[in-house]
This record gives sequence, structure tokens and C-alpha cells, in this order.
Amino acid sequence: RKEVEQDPGPFNVPEGATVAFNCTYSNSASQSFFWYRQDCRKEPKLLMSVYSSGNEDGRFTAQLNRASQYISLLIRDSKLSDSATYLCVVNSNTGNQFYFGTGTSLTVIP
Amino acid sequence: DTGVSQDPRHKITKRGQNVTFRCDPISEHNRLYWYRQTLGQGPEFLTYFQNEAQLEKSRLLSDRFSAERPKGSFSTLEIQRTEQGDSAMYLCASSLERLQETQYFGPGTRLLVL
Repeated sequence: RKEVEQDPGPFNVPEGATVAFNCTYSNSASQSFFWYRQDCRKEPKLLMSVYSSGNEDGRFTAQLNRASQYISLLIRDSKLSDSATYLCVVNSNTGNQFYFGTGTSLTVIP
Repeated sequence: DTGVSQDPRHKITKRGQNVTFRCDPISEHNRLYWYRQTLGQGPEFLTYFQNEAQLEKSRLLSDRFSAERPKGSFSTLEIQRTEQGDSAMYLCASSLERLQETQYFGPGTRLLVL
């Protein structure tokens, strides 16, 4: 079983839509969770950390469900500039290895 | 620019040759990571340094791969006797040692083995 699993998509949504991504992880001892964004042929960049209580940053909301071992990302009022691949990241039980999902591709259509 | 830098950005080599990549992390970051990314996949962890100590290595890191961070600053990743399957983007990231640390990635070195 992979450490992190994501639906690769693609998700094609119209501008202004709300879209949600889920990601499941296998290691119940993981302590750190992130969503990264990767544009085509660019390096990943941190979108947001995911905290146990859930957190929001503008149009983006991240949630963590430890019991079911999944994290989610909700994007409201999608913009064309949100088109990218979204990578779910979870750390190992040692805390030193970070496992990335395959990424979920999002295209926001005018 | 005070971000993570990597050199070279692109490398084309013939099978069997050795290649070496360099990563310069953000100056105050004591943690440094190497990842490999192939098309359609997320980055795969290769190895991790805290200061000059290499603390973890992935099982993906065969004996043809070696990484160093001699003075706890820049790092090098060497691949010996390259194979076509080594073709990938090699990403370096750095971070500070703290909970929920943010990793900052460099632009990567794209390797093509012919």
C-alpha cells in the first residue's frame, strides 16, 4: 500500500466553482501534513500546512481526519490561476521522510 | 535571490556515465532533502541531511547513488553508472528544524540518460 494516495484527476471545473480534493495516508503515526501546489515544469511550493483543528487561508480550507486517515483541500470560487497539480504530503513516523501523493490535476476553465 | 538553488538545471548524459548535482539550500536552513520526480508522479524521497549528517536514506537510493553535505551547507548528489531509468527531475529542498516545517524546493535538475 502506498504511503499517500490521491485521485490523480483531472478535475476540470468552471471559474467560480468549488472543488474538493481528498488524500488518504497509511501511517497512523504521521504528525505533519501539507498541501503543495506544483505548476507545470516548476518545483512544488507550499500551499498550506494542515492542522488537526483544520485551517483556512482565504479561499482554501484544509481538514485533517485522523480517525479515517485522510486530509482534504477545499477551494472555493476557483480562479483560472488555481490551475495546477495539488500534492498531498505526509511525514513518516520518524518525522524525517516526507511522502508525496501523485498529485491531483486541476484545470479551471473560463 | 535567497531561495534554494540547484546546478545544473539540465543534464544530458550517456548511459554508464557518472553525474553530480549540486544544491545550495536557504542559508539558515539546517535540513536538506533530495527527491526524485518522474512524469505524472509526486516527488519521491531519496535522502535527508540534518546539518552535515545524513540521517535517512530511502530504499530507492541504490548503491549507485551517493549524497554528501560536507560542511552542513551545500549538498551534492552523485549517480554513478547512470541508467536510462535514472532519467527524472532531481529536486532539492531545505527547511528549518521545527514542527510542521515548510520545505522550500529548488528548481530541480532535469536528467536525461540516453
